[in-house]
Amino acid sequence: AQSVTQLDSQVPVFEEAPVELRCNYSSSVSVYLFWYVQYPNQGLQLLLKYLSGSTLVKGINGFEAEFNKSQTSFHLRKPSVHISDTAEYFCAVTSFGNEKLTFGTGTRLTIIP
Amino acid sequence: DAGVTQSPTHLIKTRGQQVTLRCSPISGHKSVSWYQQVLGQGPQFIFQYYEKEERGRGNFPDRFSARQFPNYSSELNVNALLLGDSALYLCASSLESGLGTDTQYFGPGTRLTVL
Repeated sequence: AQSVTQLDSQVPVFEEAPVELRCNYSSSVSVYLFWYVQYPNQGLQLLLKYLSGSTLVKGINGFEAEFNKSQTSFHLRKPSVHISDTAEYFCAVTSFGNEKLTFGTGTRLTIIP
Repeated sequence: DAGVTQSPTHLIKTRGQQVTLRCSPISGHKSVSWYQQVLGQGPQFIFQYYEKEERGRGNFPDRFSARQFPNYSSELNVNALLLGDSALYLCASSLESGLGTDTQYFGPGTRLTVL
């Protein structure tokens, strides 16, 4: 079985400050990792994904994430946030041969002007 | 190209009723998955269909069923609705099944309220 833990349910950040959203996973097999964003009253949009290779993954809207196998983490970062980044962020995991995504409970990012 | 579309956008039902939710995948995508997102939680996997066959099922009761049509669109049916079925139901499509590497593209969801 696979699971995802998002350690922070809410993260308030001042505009133009950096942010890190934490994600830890548990799996007995090699994993693929994803970050999705959900704006109010919308579906989920893929920010970035890690499949293999370089552990630093760059995504859309200036976000990046680093896969750390030893710490079983996949934290999401952005060097300077904007008001438009206000949303719910979900980390998800799956594995080879498995299209079922297992999501964390989400982190609500609030940008303070 | 149009993204994943779902209908209806909102639905209000009473306990014991039945509901059908519809999803049209992105053109060329053959795999459709359904997820339930209860308020304040992450999406939970319900079903995955590929080429009209069920390829995966989450931990949901038999009241939940789905099917995929020859044009790859899909329906999710829920019978004997309970208050706890109130949620946002998300449909996701991807190119093909079985790898896990394909990006799943999500629709805007159908918000179901059970009174």
